[in-house]
Amino acid sequence: EVQLVESGGGLVEPGGSLRLSCAASEFTFTTYTMNWVRQVPGKGLEWISSISSSSANIYYADSVRGRFTISRDNLKDSLFLQMNSLRPEDTAMYYCARPKIPHNQNYGMDVWGQGTMVTVSS
Amino acid sequence: DIQLTQSPSSLSAFVGDTVAITCRASQDINTWLAWYQQKPGKAPKLLIYAASTLESGVPSRFSGSGFGTDFTLTISSLQPEDFATYYCQHLATSPQFGPGTTVDVK
Repeated sequence: EVQLVESGGGLVEPGGSLRLSCAASEFTFTTYTMNWVRQVPGKGLEWISSISSSSANIYYADSVRGRFTISRDNLKDSLFLQMNSLRPEDTAMYYCARPKIPHNQNYGMDVWGQGTMVTVSS
Repeated sequence: DIQLTQSPSSLSAFVGDTVAITCRASQDINTWLAWYQQKPGKAPKLLIYAASTLESGVPSRFSGSGFGTDFTLTISSLQPEDFATYYCQHLATSPQFGPGTTVDVK
């Protein structure tokens, strides 16, 4: 079964750091751009970052640029999100998501993980 | 950046009703738009991509239309499992979502 499994969430104090992971299985991870999407409890979805298959192209939402770093390890079929200088407003469920088509973000995201919760609080 | 708005933000309907949700883009986005359904505690589910193409396995009562700046998701003959929140998404380098529309039971 095609699957994404996030891990690494938890409680962290403001100003702290956390590294999220997303393990992919049963598809050719190396051919897909990958994304991180977050959702504040009770609120809407916010795309925050994407990374191309070769890591050559990386994009961030303004809300996280300069604080978060997306990366991937194609040998281990894994996606990462390094989050630094965390703020209370970063409290959210963080999802990794795969687009429907390899090398292409134009047809939606058809595979999502179950999410990992990040809580930023003192 | 292109902004998406959705209307209404929420609606109440009966099982069997037909409902329509609108998504408006701040600039022409051709047909680079997707629709998702999300239920509480669950990840979003892709319903429609390229504005009007139904994702595999999604019931045919869901349909999408539109081009340019104005798009519509229509759910015909609403079923109990369709009560959820629906998001549009602009498919681009920065694939942002609309604010969502919650469909609940009247």
